[in-house]
Amino acid sequence: GENVEQHPSTLSVQEGDSAVIKCTYSDSASNYFPWYKQELGKGPQLIIDIRSNVGEKKDQRIAVTLNKTAKHFSLHITETQPEDSAVYFCAAPGAVSGSARQLTFGSGTQLTVLP
Amino acid sequence: DTGVSQDPRHKITKRGQNVTFRCDPISEHNRLYWYRQTLGQGPEFLTYFQNEAQLEKSRLLSDRFSAERPKGSFSTLEIQRTEQGDSAMYLCASSLVGLYEQYFGPGTRLTVT
Repeated sequence: GENVEQHPSTLSVQEGDSAVIKCTYSDSASNYFPWYKQELGKGPQLIIDIRSNVGEKKDQRIAVTLNKTAKHFSLHITETQPEDSAVYFCAAPGAVSGSARQLTFGSGTQLTVLP
Repeated sequence: DTGVSQDPRHKITKRGQNVTFRCDPISEHNRLYWYRQTLGQGPEFLTYFQNEAQLEKSRLLSDRFSAERPKGSFSTLEIQRTEQGDSAMYLCASSLVGLYEQYFGPGTRLTVT
C-alpha cells in the first residue's frame, strides 16, 4: 500500500513569512495529491490539490508543487497570517485506476503563525 | 450548500457498550468514506461505499465494527463492545464517482471510559 511521510511535524513562522511543508510518497502509481487544513475540533478541510499531469498549482497565497520522479510534493503558503495556524495534512491515494478511493495521510504539520 | 454532517459530535461511553454514529454526505455524492483519527495522527481509512454497496474495508475494521448505507444516502457506523482503544475521532467524507476530491464532515469524538 501507499506510505506517506510528512515533514516537519511542527513549524513556527512570523506573520508575513512563507511556510513550506514537504511530503514523500512510495507508490509511483499515485496520481492525485490533496492537502487538508484541520483546525482544532473540526474535520479536515480540502485547501488545494494537484494531479500528476501538472507540476505546480497555485491558489492565491497557497501553492503545491509535485516532483513525480522524486516522489515528493510540497505545500507553500506565502504572506502567512495568524488564521493560517492549524494542522496541515498531505495525502495520496492507493494505487487504483480512476478516481481516488482510500487516501493515505501524512502525520501532519502543526503550523503556528506568530503575530 | 450543505456540507457533510455527522451526529453526534461527541460521545462518551463505558467500555463494553455499543455505539452508533451517523453521517449525512453532501447531497448527490454517491461515495461515502469512514476514517478514524487518533490524537496527533492523520486520518486512517476504515471503509467506503459506492451508493449502498460497501466496496472496501481496511484491516483496521475489526469484526466489532459494522457500517451500513441502506439507501445510498446516509450511513451509520456501529461499534460493538467498545474498548478504550476505540477512543478516537471518527470522520466521514463524501465524493462523486469519477472525481478525486473527498470532503470531510466535522467528525464524532468518541471517548471510551
